[in-house]
Amino acid sequence: ETAVFQTPNYHVTQVGNEVSFNCKQTLGHDTMYWYKQDSKKLLKIMFSYNNKQLIVNETVPRRFSPQSSDKAHLNLRIKSVEPEDSAVYLCASSFTGGAPEQYFGPGTRLTVL
Amino acid sequence: QQKVQQSPESLTVSEGAMASLNCTFSDRSSDNFRWYRQHSGKGLEVLVSIFSDGEKEEGSFTAHLNRASLHVFLHIREPQPSDSALYLCAVSRDSGTYQRFGTGTKLQVVP
Repeated sequence: ETAVFQTPNYHVTQVGNEVSFNCKQTLGHDTMYWYKQDSKKLLKIMFSYNNKQLIVNETVPRRFSPQSSDKAHLNLRIKSVEPEDSAVYLCASSFTGGAPEQYFGPGTRLTVL
Repeated sequence: QQKVQQSPESLTVSEGAMASLNCTFSDRSSDNFRWYRQHSGKGLEVLVSIFSDGEKEEGSFTAHLNRASLHVFLHIREPQPSDSALYLCAVSRDSGTYQRFGTGTKLQVVP
């Protein structure tokens, strides 16, 4: 049963455009994450965020930014997309503390032309 | 920096035959290990988590951890075609924030 929801499922856009992806979780978790999964299926963490702290993977370009309205929502904005941004973006959530189990959404596939 | 590698890259097994997947990691202080499954076009679902040396069974999935040899294995008992998917291991430290994912094994179960 899906408890982490992502929209849209797919998005095709052109270089230089701005895009925004939505993520919502209904599990009552207080930490949310964004991952990028490349064409080789390799998963890399981009951000983790709870009410107190945003942790950014230092390899993430500045054109990426997370946006949160409350602890159940964490959106991802890409200011000016580039071809290498084509990937699947996966949202996840968990409780805070230790290395907790994360629950994943179905992903948003971005294609940059 | 933690490196997590999986082998084989792809594996084909017959329905009902045991499937064994391997994951190696580099950080000896790691103490959280998870196996995930990802069906095509879907998100990840956790299969089994293991935190100490030995075995942990969840249904038809058994994780085997040997931290001295820097290995964590996943054995799938009597796999079905519906188990065909990408299998990912994830390694982290309890005191750390991030899980680091392996390179994945694509499993195909044929009737």
